[in-house]
Amino acid sequence: EPEVTQTPSHQVTQMGQEVILRCVPISNHLYFYWYRQILGQKVEFLVSFYNNEISEKSEIFDDQFSVERPDGSNFTLKIRSTKLEDSAMYFCASIRGGGYTGELFFGEGSRLTVL
Amino acid sequence: DAKTTQPPSMDCAEGRAANLPCNHSTISGNEYVYWYRQIHSQGPQYIIHGLKNNETNEMASLIITEDRKSSTLILPHATLRDTAVYYCIGLPQGAQKLVFGQGTRLTINP
Repeated sequence: EPEVTQTPSHQVTQMGQEVILRCVPISNHLYFYWYRQILGQKVEFLVSFYNNEISEKSEIFDDQFSVERPDGSNFTLKIRSTKLEDSAMYFCASIRGGGYTGELFFGEGSRLTVL
Repeated sequence: DAKTTQPPSMDCAEGRAANLPCNHSTISGNEYVYWYRQIHSQGPQYIIHGLKNNETNEMASLIITEDRKSSTLILPHATLRDTAVYYCIGLPQGAQKLVFGQGTRLTINP
C-alpha cells in the first residue's frame, strides 16, 4: 500500500537553530500539506502546496516557515530559527486530485523538540 | 467548513459495535462528512466519507440522517486497536484542507 514517509522521526534542536523536516509524498499525488500537533492539542493546518507553490497557509505559517519541493519526490518544511513553542509533531500529507474529494494520506510524523 | 460537534469521550466493550455521533447542523448541501482517526500520536488515518447516502467500507459504516444535520460512524466489531481519537469533519467539495476539531476519544475496553 502506498504511504507517505517522513524523516527524521524525532529531532532535538537548540532554540534558534534551523530545522528541515523531510517528506516523500505518494508518487502520483499532486497536493501536499504540512500539519502540526502540539502535545495534547488538536491537529492544526500549516500549509498546502500545489504546482510548486503555496496554495494556502495558516496564521501559524509565518516568515520563519518555508516549504519546498526541491526535486520530483521530496517535500520539505524548514523552520529558520526554532522557538520553544515550535516543539510539536509535524505531519506531512498528500492527496492525488485537485479539489478535495478523497482520502488525504498522512505520514507518521516527525517529532520536533526544541530545547 | 461546517462546524461539527462530537462528545469528548466514549467507551465501548471489545467485540461490540461502537457508535460515534456527530452533529453538523450547519452543514450545507455540498459539504461532505469525513471521518478520520488518530491512534496515539500517529498520523491521522482516513476512515470514510459521505454526502447524503449511507456508506460502508471495510473499516466502518457511516449513517447520515436525512436532514444531514447529524451522522453516526459505526465500527461494527470494535477491537482494542480501534482505541483512538475520532474526528468528524465537514468539508465543502473542492475545499483544499481538512480542519480538525477536538474529536471523540474512543476507548475500547477488554
